[in-house]
Amino acid sequence: KAGVTQTPRYLIKTRGQQVTLSCSPISGHRSVSWYQQTPGQGLQFLFEYFSETQRNKGNFPGRFSGRQFSNSRSEMNVSTLELGDSALYLCASRLLAGAGEQFFGPGTRLTVL
Amino acid sequence: SQQGEEDPQALSIQEGENATMNCSYKTSINNLQWYRQNSGRGLVHLILIRSNEREKHSGRLRVTLDTSKKSSSLLITASRAADTASYFCATDGVGGTSYGKLTFGQGTILTVHP
Repeated sequence: KAGVTQTPRYLIKTRGQQVTLSCSPISGHRSVSWYQQTPGQGLQFLFEYFSETQRNKGNFPGRFSGRQFSNSRSEMNVSTLELGDSALYLCASRLLAGAGEQFFGPGTRLTVL
Repeated sequence: SQQGEEDPQALSIQEGENATMNCSYKTSINNLQWYRQNSGRGLVHLILIRSNEREKHSGRLRVTLDTSKKSSSLLITASRAADTASYFCATDGVGGTSYGKLTFGQGTILTVHP
């Protein structure tokens, strides 16, 4: 069974631009979560989606948004990029919302110049 | 902010030795999961232990959970150079704002010398 896939793997943007990251969960998994990893703050939860509905959201500004499609694939968007948004963005999937093993993708490395 | 703390922050051992990492957390949990990360890549899932379990084994890994002390430990036996990585514990909260959210520790950097 294929693992969680994320595209693109690397991205370079400039301040003020917006970016969309994509995630395909493991086949059969209906829950997708997003995390941000930075050297200063570590791994922080962004949001979780299940059945196309956002079930929980972390403490991030409204510039960070996401959505989930009927095939469970998910996208997250960051608008008006700031230098501090440079990070590794990780997507994770699991069978159901809120419980069980969560499996992570390889991440998207975003650099904001 | 991180839920818990991991101890030690860094661990350096020789191949063949055992490595023990500890994790503490603050709130009630459904389960606790351990992950490995190599050089800023994705997280590899190692093991999940539920709140009603005390110990779990998987290959060379042994995890314990003490919910009364809100702590867990990960033991890697007979370490190999390939085990060199960062190790994170993550707690799956019970409900409310913790629902569906893994809260990570700061991680332990393990270096295994050949």
